[in-house]
Amino acid sequence: AQKITQTQPGMFVQEKEAVTLDCTYDTSDQSYGLFWYKQPSSGEMIFLIYQGSYDEQNATEGRYSLNFQKARKSANLVISASQLGDSAMYFCAMRDFPYNNNDMRFGAGTRLTVKP
Amino acid sequence: EADIYQTPRYLVIGTGKKITLECSQTMGHDKMYWYQQDPGMELHLIHYSYGVNSTEKGDLSSESTVSRIRTEHFPLTLESARPSHTSQYLCASSRQNTEAFFGQGTRLTVV
Repeated sequence: AQKITQTQPGMFVQEKEAVTLDCTYDTSDQSYGLFWYKQPSSGEMIFLIYQGSYDEQNATEGRYSLNFQKARKSANLVISASQLGDSAMYFCAMRDFPYNNNDMRFGAGTRLTVKP
Repeated sequence: EADIYQTPRYLVIGTGKKITLECSQTMGHDKMYWYQQDPGMELHLIHYSYGVNSTEKGDLSSESTVSRIRTEHFPLTLESARPSHTSQYLCASSRQNTEAFFGQGTRLTVV
């Protein structure tokens, strides 16, 4: 089974600055997808960005970008121009694609606090 | 906006009771998932399904069961609730290789 590691339990960033949240993964499959989710204090899970293992370019979605380094098996989330509303838990997730009955597993999460 | 619904949103129940948490989606997704999450902590996969009449156990499934009789419905049943089951339960669904959409969650308290 795949394993997702987020080594930063908590991160602080000043408003308007950029921040990088780390995610490394372990899988023996060549085809897989990586996902980032945001969970505010209200509890809902909000999908942010997706990167496929065969995508040649790093994914971007507004202020979110994914620094994908396949050889190092890392998929770090970069948030540019941080806003107070970015304060939340952030989860990295992964799914292997070759199998029809594949599950989606999550890392332990990083709590981001944006300071004014 | 994703169309996946969980009921109830909040539930307080006594030890030993049998409970069923409901999850329904109207997007026609084949894959559905149940996760358990303590506040601010990681998500633990309990069960998942990749289609009608198919279910698989995750990491914390030994005390619960699921069924998938219809594509849109994926209920989770605790046969005998215990205080250790107090947590938030999140249901999600997805297509084959896309992101998962989550419901609002059920916050369960077992007293």
